[in-house]
Amino acid sequence: NAGVMQNPRHLVRRRGQEARLRCSPMKGHSHVYWYRQLPEEGLKFMVYLQKENIIDESGMPKERFSAEFPKEGPSILRIQQVVRGDSAAYFCASSPSTGLGNTIYFGEGSWLTVV
Amino acid sequence: AQTVTQSQPEMSVQEAETVTLSCTYDTSENNYYLFWYKQPPSRQMILVIRQEAYKQQNATENRFSVNFQKAAKSFSLKISDSQLGDTAMYFCAFLRDDKIIFGKGTRLHILP
Repeated sequence: NAGVMQNPRHLVRRRGQEARLRCSPMKGHSHVYWYRQLPEEGLKFMVYLQKENIIDESGMPKERFSAEFPKEGPSILRIQQVVRGDSAAYFCASSPSTGLGNTIYFGEGSWLTVV
Repeated sequence: AQTVTQSQPEMSVQEAETVTLSCTYDTSENNYYLFWYKQPPSRQMILVIRQEAYKQQNATENRFSVNFQKAAKSFSLKISDSQLGDTAMYFCAFLRDDKIIFGKGTRLHILP
């Protein structure tokens, strides 16, 4: 049973370009979470999605950031018109449901560098 | 608001010693989960241990154990017989419903 898969692991973008980060949850998991980790900081919640639905996006910046989790395919975190401050590690996590007792498993992260 | 506080930004201990990492949290909920995650230099997030709030018994995983004090809202991690491979950032985390809230982490160095 493969773990949470994220790609690309490393992405370099120039200011103003778009970044797309992909996350395939663990098999059997229908809930996906995105977290951002700035250098020397902890992980900050961004968004929580179920298949085809955004459940909680309270941690998402109001502009330039969007996320989706289509019926088929991976979840995608999209950052438009990237700026240097978007440089960070973006972690995806998944769980089978939100019931208490379900551990959330993390992927290995995607490192975005904006130059 | 639910918050998680780790008061020790950085710690160093000699190999084979025991070390305790502190964590306190703030919540008005009664039923929740607590976790410790390890982030080694590879930056991968690795689950170390978890504790259900309704269980009074402290969780244990090999050399890792917790001291869960629900009334005090304290959730410390004890690492026994520390090894060089334990060198990492350690994050305390709180789970309620759909969201994990992380502390800012404690950087642990195991010295040879």
